[in-house]
Amino acid sequence: SQTIHQWPATLVQPVGSPLSLECTVEGTSNPNLYWYRQAAGRGLQLLFYSVGIGQISSEVPQNLSASRPQDRQFILSSKKLLLSDSGFYLCAWSGGFYSAQNIQYFGAGTRLSVL
Amino acid sequence: DAKTTQPNSMESNEEEPVHLPCNHSTISGTDYIHWYRQLPSQGPEYVIHGLTSNVNNRMASLAIAEDRKSSTLILHRATLRDAAVYYCILYNNNNDMRFGAGTRLTVKP
Repeated sequence: SQTIHQWPATLVQPVGSPLSLECTVEGTSNPNLYWYRQAAGRGLQLLFYSVGIGQISSEVPQNLSASRPQDRQFILSSKKLLLSDSGFYLCAWSGGFYSAQNIQYFGAGTRLSVL
Repeated sequence: DAKTTQPNSMESNEEEPVHLPCNHSTISGTDYIHWYRQLPSQGPEYVIHGLTSNVNNRMASLAIAEDRKSSTLILHRATLRDAAVYYCILYNNNNDMRFGAGTRLTVKP
């Protein structure tokens, strides 16, 4: 069966520090991968998605970046965190075929607090 | 992009049915209606999806209006574990699954 791992679960970082969040998927190949952010009490905002190794699409301009160095690995990074980067970050995957029936499967999330 | 409108919150009693409405008057012919839910401090989880016909699975039922401008997620017997935010989403294979504010369901014992 497929599983998605996301870590760390909680992170407290000072303003201006770098960030690296990692997400890996097991049990499937060539998945679509997604990074979302959820501000407190709000809906999810799609940040990046990837349909293959090295292929990243950015949905929102910001000081975050994403990379996909391996088929089932998705990394969210920042060189310098801002206070506004605080939030709940979620990684998700879906089948690698284009379909409006694709179901997205989410990780447990990382709660980031930038102080 | 087509949008959805859901009530901000709803309450239900335990073991009673719950009908969660969603309006999507600008839905296009190729949009699927997806429902996800998010339990506190967790990532969203898939509930059900459909295109035109009503759908049933082990978690819920989805009733889609004939004109597809609205749909209703039905939980047949609410339990305390069903307390969550429920999202109604129109998805058209553009890799942009837009989660709105959803409906916060409270289940009372």
